[in-house]
Amino acid sequence: KNEVEQSPQNLTAQEGEFITINCSYSVGISALHWLQQHPGGGIVSLFMLSSGKKKHGRLIATINIQEKHSSLHITASHPRDSAVYICAVRGYGQNFVFGPGTRLSVLP
Amino acid sequence: GAVVSQHPSRVICKSGTSVKIECRSLDFQATTMFWYRQFPKKSLMLMATSNEGSKATYEQGVEKDKFLINHASLTLSTLTVTSAHPEDSSFYICSARMVTHSYGYTFGSGTRLTVV
Repeated sequence: KNEVEQSPQNLTAQEGEFITINCSYSVGISALHWLQQHPGGGIVSLFMLSSGKKKHGRLIATINIQEKHSSLHITASHPRDSAVYICAVRGYGQNFVFGPGTRLSVLP
Repeated sequence: GAVVSQHPSRVICKSGTSVKIECRSLDFQATTMFWYRQFPKKSLMLMATSNEGSKATYEQGVEKDKFLINHASLTLSTLTVTSAHPEDSSFYICSARMVTHSYGYTFGSGTRLTVV
């Protein structure tokens, strides 16, 4: 069974700071997803990665398959980035295993 | 982009009643949908996998008679919480697998169920 860990568990940053959230998993995967969950609960899929790096606006996601590790970076953070960020991995079936989430608060 | 509409977003019901939650793919066909449950300050847990035209596959420990899943069309899956109890209060969210070359996944906005 895949174990997914995230760090940090909680993160408070000042507006404008560069933020990094890390995810590590224990067994091989077919894809890794970064999800954003806002206080109301709705989930938005930010990235799906199987290798390398993806960028969307101020968000950058990287994955190192050999090291079983992924990072989500937020540049020029803003209070509206405050949310829970969840790393979810998918093996060679279809099911996700979710990390515990990182709660980010960006202060103005 | 691909959108999954989940309805209702919030529902309060009395103990013993049943509640139906809908998950609808708006601009793509979803042969497979997933239902998850999230307890407060906990991560999402897969409840069941719903395949169009066949019976859902439930995860260990999930009562299939209590959480009825129907996936009658390529754009709609429903989760019915039967004879709801306060311990069923939770956040329920669906996800759909997009049958495209990318085989991406998209999530509904979630339903917060409170049983009183």
